[in-house]
Amino acid sequence: EAGVVQSPRYKIIEKKQPVAFWCNPISGHNTLYWYLQNLGQGPELLIRYENEEAVDDSQLPKDRFSAERLKGVDSTLKIQPAELGDSAVYLCASSLVNEQFFGPGTRLTVL
Amino acid sequence: DQQVKQNSPSLSVQEGRISILNCDYTNSMFDYFLWYKKYPAEGPTFLISISSIKDKNEDGRFTVFLNKSAKHLSLHIVPSQPGDSAVYFCAARGSGGSNYKLTFGKGTLLTVNP
Repeated sequence: EAGVVQSPRYKIIEKKQPVAFWCNPISGHNTLYWYLQNLGQGPELLIRYENEEAVDDSQLPKDRFSAERLKGVDSTLKIQPAELGDSAVYLCASSLVNEQFFGPGTRLTVL
Repeated sequence: DQQVKQNSPSLSVQEGRISILNCDYTNSMFDYFLWYKKYPAEGPTFLISISSIKDKNEDGRFTVFLNKSAKHLSLHIVPSQPGDSAVYFCAARGSGGSNYKLTFGKGTLLTVNP
């Protein structure tokens, strides 16, 4: 069974540029999460989807971050414009019941 | 305010010995706890979990102990192997409406020396 797929794995951009990350969850997992992981920290939840509905986006900085999961399967997280402090690893996870399964993440570097 | 704390940034043990990784939490609403293992350039991988109705859960070489009164849990790895070298994250989940949200600690880097 394929795991959570994320792309790209690495992205380097200049500040003020837009960037987008893509995630395809494990087949059959209705719940999808986007996490932010800063260096030396644990993952922090940005947004959670149940099918196509964002049921918790309270931690998502909505002035520059947006996300969508149009057909209730794969999802896109966008940052526009990116800032230096956005440099981090962006993790996508999916779950069926209890355990969340993570993708490899996208490492973003903003110069 | 950090609700899940892993106070040891790193731990080094010899192959074959026991590794003990500790985790403390402050939120009494947490009722489900998980350990994740993370290799460099990979996402966290689920390792083992425990519900607050139990005080021990075992899976092969991995055992998690939960002390609710002390708000403390630990992960024991016996015997430790070089392939266990990774960052280990403790995570906790609340009950009720927020029962999906995981709160992670900062992680402990385990190094198992051959």
